[in-house]
Formats: sequence, structure tokens, C-alpha cells
Amino acid sequence: QTQLQESGPGLVKPSETLALTCTVSGGSFTSYHWSWIRQPPGKGLEWIGYIYYTGNTNYNPSLRSRVTMSLDTSKRQFSLRLTSVTAADTAVYYCARTGLYSSPEMNWFDPWGQGLLVTVSS
Amino acid sequence: QSVLTQPPSASGTPGQSVTISCSGSSSNIGSNYVYWYQQLPGTAPTVLIYRNNQRPSGVPDRFSGSKSGTSASLAISVLRSEDEADYYCAAWDDSQSGLWVFGGGTKLTVL
Repeated sequence: QTQLQESGPGLVKPSETLALTCTVSGGSFTSYHWSWIRQPPGKGLEWIGYIYYTGNTNYNPSLRSRVTMSLDTSKRQFSLRLTSVTAADTAVYYCARTGLYSSPEMNWFDPWGQGLLVTVSS
Repeated sequence: QSVLTQPPSASGTPGQSVTISCSGSSSNIGSNYVYWYQQLPGTAPTVLIYRNNQRPSGVPDRFSGSKSGTSASLAISVLRSEDEADYYCAAWDDSQSGLWVFGGGTKLTVL
């Protein structure tokens, strides 16, 4: 059974860079797409982007200028970097497996990590 | 403002049925599959319905999904107290370079 776990700082200062890592245990790491999704407190879900095991990425256009995703297959980890953060980036950040089909609409998010609350504040 | 539109709340009593709607456009629901996620209080979302109307193993058949044109619906029959949660619809959107879009979520209260 595949499990995902987010890790990283829970507090980031405005204008700095948010950096999170997701560690995948169990199941296959290669062949899949891997996503980051966030949820501001009391609000809905926003897809940030995904990375394919080959390293190919697809980012939400609204965040593309500030987002970078990478992966380390040897460690079974993938990472998120979000630059120039503001209070609007305060959210619970989830990582999620996103399927193995090349056509994105064929995939879905399952399973998800438990989520990590990141607060942007000085 | 979410790309997909859901009612913010829904309610029902145990044993009743409830339906949650999700409205989109030709670039998302109108041309791609719809997915539904359940988020129990304080937990991460889990997939409830995939590819419009398919249930993952372990999801009761009380939950069903449907799609017509640019709208989709999640139906829950024989409502139970443990169904109280937030429900989100999602779809791939073909606009720009493509992105996943979600509804704003519907909070289901079991009275």
C-alpha cells in the first residue's frame, strides 16, 4: 500500500521560498505522476502542479512563475519550491499520487498525504 | 472563485438521499471526466468517484456519480451520520496548457 508524507518548515517569512518534500513509501514510484495540492484554512482545494517520474512537469498557470518541482527517484521523494511567498500562500499543502496515464484527465489523486500546514508570517 | 461551481452546503436526515451538483464548462466537465473527493473533518481528501461514475473498492454503493453536458452530480442515498463531510468535484481543464480544477466544495450536514 502506497503512503505519502509531507515534510518541511511550518513557518515561512514573507518574500522567502517555501520548500517541501514528499516521501513515498510502498508501491511503485516510477510510472506515476505526482502532484502538490493546497488548501487555505477554511477554503477549497487548489492544484499546484504535477511532476512525472521522467521529470516532466505541468504547473497551474496562476502559480507557474513561482513554482518549481523536482524529484529524486533514488530517495522516492518529490519536492515543491514556491518563491516570493505572501500571506495568501498560507495553506495546508498536500502531496498526492496522480495516476500513470499520459492523458491527464484519465488520472485522479489517490492516495494523499496527511497534509502539512505552512504559515507565511514574519 | 472556483472554476467549478458547487452549492456551499447541503443537508439531510439519516436514511434520506441527497444530491450535490457541480457545474463547469466545455473546457473541463464538458470534455473530460469528473472526479469526486470526500474530505472528513481534519483529514485529507479521498477519492469517492472516478471517471464520472466509477467507485473505488471500499466505497459503498450508496455513493454514485453522473455527468450530463457541462454538469455533474454526486448522489448519496440512505444518508448516514458518517457521511458528514466536505465534498469536492474536480476535472481536467483543457484551457491554457491544461490544469486540474476543483469546485469550491459542499459541506454536507447530516441532521
